[in-house]
Amino acid sequence: AQSVTQLDSHVSVSEGTPVLLRCNYSSSYSPSLFWYVQHPNKGLQLLLKYTSAATLVKGINGFEAEFKKSETSFHLTKPSAHMSDAAEYFCVVSNGWDTDKLIFGTGTRLQVFP
Amino acid sequence: EAQVTQNPRYLITVTGKKLTVTCSQNMNHEYMSWYRQDPGLGLRQIYYSMNVEVTDKGDVPEGYKVSRKEKRNFPLILESPSPNQTSLYFCASTGPSYEQYFGPGTRLTVT
Repeated sequence: AQSVTQLDSHVSVSEGTPVLLRCNYSSSYSPSLFWYVQHPNKGLQLLLKYTSAATLVKGINGFEAEFKKSETSFHLTKPSAHMSDAAEYFCVVSNGWDTDKLIFGTGTRLQVFP
Repeated sequence: EAQVTQNPRYLITVTGKKLTVTCSQNMNHEYMSWYRQDPGLGLRQIYYSMNVEVTDKGDVPEGYKVSRKEKRNFPLILESPSPNQTSLYFCASTGPSYEQYFGPGTRLTVT
């Protein structure tokens, strides 16, 4: 069985400071991992994905995530937050053999203060 | 432009009145899904389809039906909607690297 846990439901940062959104996963197989972003009243957009290539994955808008198998983590980071980063972020896992089946985390709402 | 479209975007209806939410993708993807999004629960898969005429239940299929007669279209049908189906619904299609492309969402209210 696979699952994903987003450790924080809300994260608040000041503009220009680093962002860290935490995600732990559980998977019986080599997982594929994704981060999606959802801006208010919008659909979900893919930020980045890990599919067993490089463990440090770079995505759009300056975000990146590092796959750490020993810690079963896939935390999302950005060096400097921008006001436009305020949104909800979802960590998603799929297993290695049924990669069309995705399991979504419950989401982390990121607030960015000026 | 590659996209997934859904209609309607907003719908208010009454209990028991059948409705259909349409979904269409122009990327020739085989795999499509429907999700519902509720506060604190993230996205939960309702139904999915691996290809034309091939559909299967996701995690929360009760009260929903789907069909896949053409590759591009994957409508969601609520035969007898109930208030607990009030939610935000997303259609998605899966690309070749397993990334999902989401539609803009349909906000459904059942009174």
